[in-house]
Amino acid sequence: DIQMTQSPSSLSASVGDRVTITCQASQDISNYLNWYQQKPGKAPKLLIYGASNLETGVPSRFSGSGSGTDFTFTISSLQPEDVATYYCQHCDSLPYTFGQGSKLDIK
Amino acid sequence: QVQLQESGPGLVKPSQTLSLTCTVSGDSISSGTYFWSWIRQPAGEGLEWIGRISPSGSANYNPYLKSRVTISIDTSKNQFSLKLSSVTAADTAVYYCARKSRRGDHDYWGQGTLVTVSS
Repeated sequence: DIQMTQSPSSLSASVGDRVTITCQASQDISNYLNWYQQKPGKAPKLLIYGASNLETGVPSRFSGSGSGTDFTFTISSLQPEDVATYYCQHCDSLPYTFGQGSKLDIK
Repeated sequence: QVQLQESGPGLVKPSQTLSLTCTVSGDSISSGTYFWSWIRQPAGEGLEWIGRISPSGSANYNPYLKSRVTISIDTSKNQFSLKLSSVTAADTAVYYCARKSRRGDHDYWGQGTLVTVSS
């Protein structure tokens, strides 16, 4: 199985800050990497697919980059509504696996 | 608009079988474009992919659960289902059904349903 390692596991930032989360795959997954946002008590929501493609309707302050084994998720200007846990997930091969999550809150 | 809704018992006894159904609206699960997945999340923990099924009924499972999992599809009802046998407390989680797009991501999710394993 491909293991996905996210960091940091938790972070705190101020409104307007640039926030970065990384995700590392245990082997090359090309660009088969997705990012989800999960707010408390809610289902995950797809933000980024194919490592860098913004899902329809998702604000442009969210972005993703990377390929191979190393990926980055960025919020360019943190907003209060971005408080959530963020997960990466690979879809290169079965079984699909998720990172352990990065919990983001506001300072 | 595509919507998914999980249904089933919220409480299952240890050693019994957990059974959930996902009803899809706004899309035909027999259209051939998508796969249909089950994903779970224990309280306070991360997400675990359980398995997926194609419109033709071909299923793939997480190897760690494969011996206990069955996913089936009923295109006439636009539903797909999950059965997990011999459950223990470790299977207590929120269970989500989701649509897997051709791109590989899960673009639509149900709201999730909490299943507790307890006597």
